Amino acid sequence: TQLLEQSPQFLSIQEGENLTVYCNSSSVFSSLQWYRQEPGEGPVLLVTVVTGGEVKKLKRLTFQFGDARKDSSLHITAAQPGDTGLYLCAGPPGSGNTGKLIFGQGTTLQVKP
Amino acid sequence: ETGVTQSPTHLIKTRGQQVTLRCSSQSGHNTVSWYQQALGQGPQFIFQYYREEENGRGNFPPRFSGLQFPNYSSELNVNALELDDSALYLCASSLGPGALAEAFFGQGTRLTVV
Repeated sequence: TQLLEQSPQFLSIQEGENLTVYCNSSSVFSSLQWYRQEPGEGPVLLVTVVTGGEVKKLKRLTFQFGDARKDSSLHITAAQPGDTGLYLCAGPPGSGNTGKLIFGQGTTLQVKP
Repeated sequence: ETGVTQSPTHLIKTRGQQVTLRCSSQSGHNTVSWYQQALGQGPQFIFQYYREEENGRGNFPPRFSGLQFPNYSSELNVNALELDDSALYLCASSLGPGALAEAFFGQGTRLTVV
């Protein structure tokens, strides 16, 4: 069974600090996605990474897919209170491109003003 | 605003009862996936429907069943409710069944089984 392990599970920081969230697996994923979920809402897709070693930037957020496609990271620069939420990584199991997604358990980020 | 709506938003049922949760997908989205999210956890895949046929199922018992209709709506039915079924149930619609087709999630239905 493919699993995605996220760390840390909970992060509380001050506005302006930088942070990195990790998503690791012992298995290869054909792609990985990052979502943000706010209380009372469903997850919203932030980015999809497909190629090993790929780096994508979304304003202050930087996403990286590991060279071996077994891990990914999300780095936030100068965090703001609006970044508060649950961050989830997810990917399709196996080497295929199915719609089924395996999710990590999530990282709860709290950014204090 | 994802264009995917779920109803009801909250629901309380008694153990042993049956429940039907509804999802209205974005127009034109022929694929819908359902997930169960326990408190403090990531979503777990229940099943996916593509063009009104089941297209993959996660590790959930047969008492979890679904339907997808031609009008881009779908249902998740759960029979013989158990206390552990208490969770947020999410549906996600997409233009196709592949992982690279962006999934748009609804706000979820919070089910409490007492």
